[in-house]
Amino acid sequence: ELKVEQNPLFLSMQEGKNYTIYCNYSTTSDRLYWYRQDPGKSLESLFVLLSNGAVKQEGRLMASLDTKARLSTLHITAAVHDLSATYFCAAPEYAGGTSYGKLTFGQGTILTVHP
Amino acid sequence: GAGVSQSPSNKVTEKGKDVELRCDPISGHTALYWYRQRLGQGLEFLIYFQGNSAPDKSGLPSDRFSAERTGESVSTLTIQRTQQEDSAVYLCASSFFGAGGQNNEQFFGPGTRLTVL
Repeated sequence: ELKVEQNPLFLSMQEGKNYTIYCNYSTTSDRLYWYRQDPGKSLESLFVLLSNGAVKQEGRLMASLDTKARLSTLHITAAVHDLSATYFCAAPEYAGGTSYGKLTFGQGTILTVHP
Repeated sequence: GAGVSQSPSNKVTEKGKDVELRCDPISGHTALYWYRQRLGQGLEFLIYFQGNSAPDKSGLPSDRFSAERTGESVSTLTIQRTQQEDSAVYLCASSFFGAGGQNNEQFFGPGTRLTVL
């Protein structure tokens, strides 16, 4: 059974600081997804990491994937208040061929950025 | 284009009643997924449909939960004899499935917040 664990679960940051959220998963997967959720809202896709060594950046967020270590990271650079949200990583179940099915989510990291 | 839509956005019901939640996926997406998110928690997989294949029901928590999908369009999640522990946000997602350069990325709807009194 695939398990996904994130840490930390709670992150309080000052504006301007850097930090990294870690996502470990228990079985082989060659892809990993990151989502953002604002309070009372649905999930917004942030990054789709499709292979070992994949790195993607969007603004102050950068995500990477190491499939051998079964680890993905979400790095925050020079945090701003607008980044306050809950961040989830999720690994898909391999469904055969080139297909992937249901997602197993981490517990989520609640990020609060304050002045 | 239009994203995933769900209805109703909020549903309050009494314990023991049946409820139906609806999901309209993104047009052309062959895979449709239902997840549940309890307050302050992550998402739990419930069920998914892919084309004409038998649905994967492995996440349904009890036989009070069932879901149907009409072709590659609308899906309905039904909860019979609701209990207070069913209170949660029910999220639907859809994606392409398989080859063709797609990455199977799942796009989520706004969710239905279910409250069982």
